[in-house]
Amino acid sequence: KAGVTQTPRYLIKTRGQQVTLSCSPISGHRSVSWYQQTPGQGLQFLFEYFSETQRNKGNFPGRFSGRQFSNSRSEMNVSTLELGDSALYLCASSWSGRTQETQYFGPGTRLLVL
Amino acid sequence: GNSVTQMEGPVTLSEEAFLTINCTYTATGYPSLFWYVQYPGEGLQLLLKATKADDKGSNKGFEATYRKETTSFHLEKGSVQVSDSAVYFCALSDPSTNAGKSTFGDGTTLTVKP
Repeated sequence: KAGVTQTPRYLIKTRGQQVTLSCSPISGHRSVSWYQQTPGQGLQFLFEYFSETQRNKGNFPGRFSGRQFSNSRSEMNVSTLELGDSALYLCASSWSGRTQETQYFGPGTRLLVL
Repeated sequence: GNSVTQMEGPVTLSEEAFLTINCTYTATGYPSLFWYVQYPGEGLQLLLKATKADDKGSNKGFEATYRKETTSFHLEKGSVQVSDSAVYFCALSDPSTNAGKSTFGDGTTLTVKP
């Protein structure tokens, strides 16, 4: 069974631009979560989607948004990029997002904002 | 709120040494506990998990026991190998914080020297 895939793997953008990242979960998984990983803040939860609905959201500004499609694929968008948005963005999928379930992580998209 | 505290790194050991990485947590509800490992340039992989008190998770020689009385989930391995060099994250998932969200520790970098 294929794992979680994320595209693109690397991105370079400039301040003020916007960016869209994509995540394809493991087949059959309906919950997709997004995390931001930085050296200073560690792993921070962005949001979680299930059946095309955002069920949970972390403490990030409204510039960070996401969506999920009927095939469970998910995208996240960051508008008006800031230098501090440079990070590794990880998505994780699970069957239904229940607390006992393992989250399976993709390799991440590394975003550099110049 | 929920939090996870890991022993500070980095940790450097010789091959075949005993490994302990301490992890304690604070949670509102009754969480599930996880250890993830991250190799350079990759996403997180589940190492082991435990979903209730006194459960022991184990995988690839690593073990951790869910201790509710001390709110701990320490990771141990009897004999480390060079290939165990990676960053290790302790995490919890709490039903009171709803779906798809894990709270992570800051990570502990392990380097094993031949």
